[in-house]
Amino acid sequence: EDQVTQSPEALRLQEGESSSLNCSYTVSGLRGLFWYRQDPGKGPEFLFTLYSAGEEKEKERLKATLTKKESFLHITAPKPEDSATYLCAVQFSGGYNKLIFGAGTRLAVHP
Amino acid sequence: DVKVTQSSRYLVKRTGEKVFLECVQDMDHENMFWYRQDPGLGLRLIYFSYDVKMKEKGDIPEGYSVSREKKERFSLILESASTNQTSMYLCASSYRLAGGFYEQYFGPGTRLTVT
Repeated sequence: EDQVTQSPEALRLQEGESSSLNCSYTVSGLRGLFWYRQDPGKGPEFLFTLYSAGEEKEKERLKATLTKKESFLHITAPKPEDSATYLCAVQFSGGYNKLIFGAGTRLAVHP
Repeated sequence: DVKVTQSSRYLVKRTGEKVFLECVQDMDHENMFWYRQDPGLGLRLIYFSYDVKMKEKGDIPEGYSVSREKKERFSLILESASTNQTSMYLCASSYRLAGGFYEQYFGPGTRLTVT
């Protein structure tokens, strides 16, 4: 069964304390992996697309990496404004335009 | 910037009412999607459309229908609202080019409560 699992479910960090969020997937024929940020009561905001193992993308304090089985979202020296839920989604061969979403990681960064 | 707008941020309806949720995108995207998001269940695809007047069922289409008469507009219809359809509804859009897989851009969401 095609599945996307994110861990941890929740993460509490102190400002400046770097960490990583994990997204592991079991799909046949990954075509793309997407990271989104979602603030409470709002729609997900697109962050990154990764297409192949070894690929990396960066944006400000965030860096996304991809292997054949998982992706990591590294957060370097986070600030309180980085607090949000981070969602991972995958698109796979035969899935047409459908995405499978993980349940998300709720990140809280405290000053 | 891509902009996806939804007709209402908050909506309260009574059981049995017919409910219309509208979504408009301004990026000339071919694909449009409707999801619902519930605590503990994540985002689940209700319906998607890859062209005007075309639609495909997602994972949870029961109790819903959709309409796409114009490229920029995609409507979700709850034929007879029920309390278990209380949820956050999210619309998204993306390009659809041959051989390509593109990110979806989401609207702000509609929080629907059915009483």
